[in-house]
Amino acid sequence: DTAVSQTPKYLVTQMGNDKSIKCEQNLGHDTMYWYKQDSKKFLKIMFSYNNKELIINETVPNRFSPKSPDKAHLNLHINSLELGDSAVYFCASSHVGRSTEAFFGQGTRLTVV
Amino acid sequence: TQLLEQSPQFLSIQEGENLTVYCNSSSVFSSLQWYRQEPGEGPVLLVTVVTGGEVKKLKRLTFQFGDARKDSSLHITAAQPGDTGLYLCAGGETSGSRLTFGEGTQLTVNP
Repeated sequence: DTAVSQTPKYLVTQMGNDKSIKCEQNLGHDTMYWYKQDSKKFLKIMFSYNNKELIINETVPNRFSPKSPDKAHLNLHINSLELGDSAVYFCASSHVGRSTEAFFGQGTRLTVV
Repeated sequence: TQLLEQSPQFLSIQEGENLTVYCNSSSVFSSLQWYRQEPGEGPVLLVTVVTGGEVKKLKRLTFQFGDARKDSSLHITAAQPGDTGLYLCAGGETSGSRLTFGEGTQLTVNP
């Protein structure tokens, strides 16, 4: 049983296109995240939703728009893709508490050509 | 913004050697977690420490949280090729859901 699943795993697209990444968790967690991992493997938080409400919105271009239709789903839509958007995007979920432990999906490797 | 510095960034050792990875910050965290990431996969949680001075052991891995809850270390005894991977520390903030990740330590254990 997959705990956090995201699709697609690989995404190759041309500059200027619009694309979406989907994420679903079956852990019953109340919080979901999008992280970006660059070529140096640094994981940077982009967004966080708690019970469908946006609670963390880092300095991310507004071409990136997250949407959480319910607690178990968090999607990421990216408009007008640029070369610099190429990275691995991870979805994660957690139950917020004293120790917020994140469970990650397998990642989506986005390549913009 | 809270920052976590990990050292070393890269570590290549022979099977059977011991190693320690450090995670340091000037900020206090409510918890400190260690994750391991393998190529093509997402990070997987290894351990969480929440109390200053806490030590946890997971087989050959020993994790320690600093007394002031600002730093942590991961010690691996008798490393094996299967330990190869990217080790990430992450600090949990007292105020809520944010996790701040360190830059990671890429460990390679050669047979």
